[in-house]
Amino acid sequence: LAKTTQPISMDSYEGQEVNITCSHNNIATNDYITWYQQFPSQGPRFIIQGYKTKVTNEVASLFIPADRKSSTLSLPRVSLSDTAVYYCLVGATGSNYQLIWGAGTKLIIKP
Amino acid sequence: SQTIHQWPATLVQPVGSPLSLECTVEGTSNPNLYWYRQAAGRGLQLLFYSVGIGQISSEVPQNLSASRPQDRQFILSSKKLLLSDSGFYLCAWSEGLSEGYTFGSGTRLTVV
Repeated sequence: LAKTTQPISMDSYEGQEVNITCSHNNIATNDYITWYQQFPSQGPRFIIQGYKTKVTNEVASLFIPADRKSSTLSLPRVSLSDTAVYYCLVGATGSNYQLIWGAGTKLIIKP
Repeated sequence: SQTIHQWPATLVQPVGSPLSLECTVEGTSNPNLYWYRQAAGRGLQLLFYSVGIGQISSEVPQNLSASRPQDRQFILSSKKLLLSDSGFYLCAWSEGLSEGYTFGSGTRLTVV
């Protein structure tokens, strides 16, 4: 099971683009990369998932280099409501239940 | 649309008392169901998962048990709570083991 490494915390300001990088040096061929967002006293919420190159949806983009040993979650023009903990997880299809959740990255957006 | 309900939101229980947390899912059939626990400032720890009625897999041996009496109902129980059982308990469901999770709102349990 791949282990991920993320910064413990990050600060940014409203309107800025925020990039959170996750390292997963031991990622396996059939592993996907998934990001979740968690607000205090709530369950995590799925943000985005990818396998390689770039994935974009209405809330974020996920950049994955060719070697897939890292990934970057990009949040465009953040607002105060984006203050949350962001988790990066890697896991194989068919085995999401085995995902290892680290402590995540606590993102604080300032006015 | 699918919804997941988890209750209660908060619970304070004395050491040695029993526990029953309930989770129900609506709008889907035969979901995969999960119980997670989260300690303060930490990531989630998978406790149990179920792929069908009566099918329970335990990931971490401990003072807790789980049951799935109906297709969309998942229950987390304990006969005697320990102080170390305190934490934030989350129920989740997914379409399949490879799909992303949808989490409930969580139960904050404090054992005193």
